[in-house]
Amino acid sequence: GQQVMQIPQYQHVQEGEDFTTYCNSSTTLSNIQWYKQRPGGHPVFLIQLVKSGEVKKQKRLTFQFGEAKKNSSLHITATQTTDVGTYFCAGFHPTSGTYKYIFGTGTRLKVLA
Amino acid sequence: DTGVSQNPRHKITKRGQNVTFRCDPISEHNRLYWYRQTLGQGPEFLTYFQNEAQLEKSRLLSDRFSAERPKGSFSTLEIQRTEQGDSAMYLCASSFTRGEAGELFFGEGSRLTVL
Repeated sequence: GQQVMQIPQYQHVQEGEDFTTYCNSSTTLSNIQWYKQRPGGHPVFLIQLVKSGEVKKQKRLTFQFGEAKKNSSLHITATQTTDVGTYFCAGFHPTSGTYKYIFGTGTRLKVLA
Repeated sequence: DTGVSQNPRHKITKRGQNVTFRCDPISEHNRLYWYRQTLGQGPEFLTYFQNEAQLEKSRLLSDRFSAERPKGSFSTLEIQRTEQGDSAMYLCASSFTRGEAGELFFGEGSRLTVL
């Protein structure tokens, strides 16, 4: 079945350092979404990428969708303590005929002040 | 309140008992999803509805699990004969789309503990 893996599983950074998480799917995706889940909270939507090779930016966050639409990355520049949380990617298979979002395994980010 | 609402927020039950969770999506959202999340893991797909039609169910949704969305509004997820392995956070999410993918709005979740 469709699997979505993320690396790394955990990342500790000093405040001000950069952070990147990578999302890899075993199958081609129609789109990729990114969510952030704060400790004790629920996932909150960040962004959606649809086109092959697409790059989007939100302030210090840069999202990229791979050319083959099987991988994606989220890069945070100059991390802040407010960036703490777990980042998930999610997508669905284009030929599945349904909108069943499969979530990645997540990357937990800790930012040390 | 314009968010996704889930009840109860916490449920502690003994093994073998039945439990039911309710989800009230954002008004006019046509898609409703149920996910299960355990500590340190990503949300695991259980099922989803488009209006009142249940379009897909995970194989994880054994015969002990059933979900409904009568009239295409709120949804319920029932777990019969609970097992300790059912202990998890059950997340509901809704979205509004017309054929394309849309962002999911999650509720706060219903945490189930099976003793």
